[in-house]
Amino acid sequence: EVQLVESGGGLVQPGGSLRLSCAASGFTFINYGMTWVRQAPGRGLECVASISGSGDTAYYGDSVKGRFTISRDNSKNTLYLQMNSLRAEDTAIYYCGKTAPYYLDYWGQGTLVTVSS
Amino acid sequence: EIVMTQSPATLSVSPGERATLSCRASQSVSSKLAWYQQRRGQAPRLLMYGVSTRASGTPARFSGSGSGTEFTLTISSLQSEDFAVYYCQQYNNWPRTFGQGTKVEIK
Repeated sequence: EVQLVESGGGLVQPGGSLRLSCAASGFTFINYGMTWVRQAPGRGLECVASISGSGDTAYYGDSVKGRFTISRDNSKNTLYLQMNSLRAEDTAIYYCGKTAPYYLDYWGQGTLVTVSS
Repeated sequence: EIVMTQSPATLSVSPGERATLSCRASQSVSSKLAWYQQRRGQAPRLLMYGVSTRASGTPARFSGSGSGTEFTLTISSLQSEDFAVYYCQQYNNWPRTFGQGTKVEIK
């Protein structure tokens, strides 16, 4: 059974940093790209970043480019999202998703990031 | 960036009735179109991909059609568990973009 479990969310001040993790199980992690999608309170879905299975290719949404970094550790079956220079508009639930190969066929339950002073 | 526009924003339907949801892309996405369902308080889940292929566990009452820029998700006979928000997503180009969602509510 595929499982994706996000962690690392919380309250952070504007300008601060946070690192999200997504622990994956139930599939051969290195064979699949992974994606972070966020959902602001009461709003729709936004693709934040995607990374290839090997980790050598990454894509970012315009709103986070230069501030967020997606990475993965295939030895630990874990996906990461390093978020720097956080803004109030980054407040959202962050979901990780298994990308198969372009749409998300499995989603985690999400972790809430709140950016506020 | 490809803009995905869904209509209507809210659809009020009685249980057992048919629901038709629309999704339009600002440019062609070929057949690279997926639909997701998000129930209240839950993560989204994949319903359909490649326009019309049902994901594992998606009931046969869900069907998808369209190509290029115009797409439709049809639920033939609404069940109580189908009342949710539905999002379309194109995966032809980066960034992958979602529509703003259609909420299917009980009439």
